[in-house]
Amino acid sequence: QSALTQPPSASGSPGQSVTISCAGTSSDVGGYVYVSWYQQHPGKAPKLMIYEVSKRPPGVPDRFSGSKSGNTASLTVSGLQAEDEADYYCTSYAGSNNLGIFGGGTKLTVL
Amino acid sequence: QVQLVESGGGLVKPGGSLRLSCAASGFPFSGYYMSWIRQAPGMGLEWVSFISSVGTSMYYADSVKGRFTISRDNAKNSLYLQMNSLRAEDTAVYYCARDRGDVPGDYFDLWGQGTLVTVSS
Repeated sequence: QSALTQPPSASGSPGQSVTISCAGTSSDVGGYVYVSWYQQHPGKAPKLMIYEVSKRPPGVPDRFSGSKSGNTASLTVSGLQAEDEADYYCTSYAGSNNLGIFGGGTKLTVL
Repeated sequence: QVQLVESGGGLVKPGGSLRLSCAASGFPFSGYYMSWIRQAPGMGLEWVSFISSVGTSMYYADSVKGRFTISRDNAKNSLYLQMNSLRAEDTAVYYCARDRGDVPGDYFDLWGQGTLVTVSS
């Protein structure tokens, strides 16, 4: 299994929207609804932001949204705020008897 | 308080062994899948191992298969990772995470603070 492909970096100004992509294959992202996204601030544990492509856990602002088209999933952060600056990772289920795979991570900078 | 607390990390020589523990509290531990996920310094996340709620199904990343063993003691609300034949490339922060949803790795909704394992001579 290869890691899912994410852009190394993304940026936007406060109030703007930014979208982070997560490219996989038909054996992982494209084949299942089990795509999730995590936010990680420096020195902290990851935090679940989106699960099953587009569902938001309680407490996650609705500025965060997820979607999928074909083999690529996306995380959109609207109305960027300073505290959104962090690393973001996607992960996808890759079939039975396999552990899922993570993306390489995207560093989001709020300009 | 719902939380996971890892322990057992430290400095170990190549070829050595270490056992990580993860203490769960505030939720019915025996009803949940659990996983270990690691992060090498400055790198991304890597799913290491998974165990089902009753401990009958386990999966491992190819990078640790045959060297690491995941286990759990539901009576003690604890998750473990026995790591043998450690290599420099196993150096990482190891997180335990509660694994939710329909399938292993569907999503991880609760994470511990992590424990650092350093493999170096």
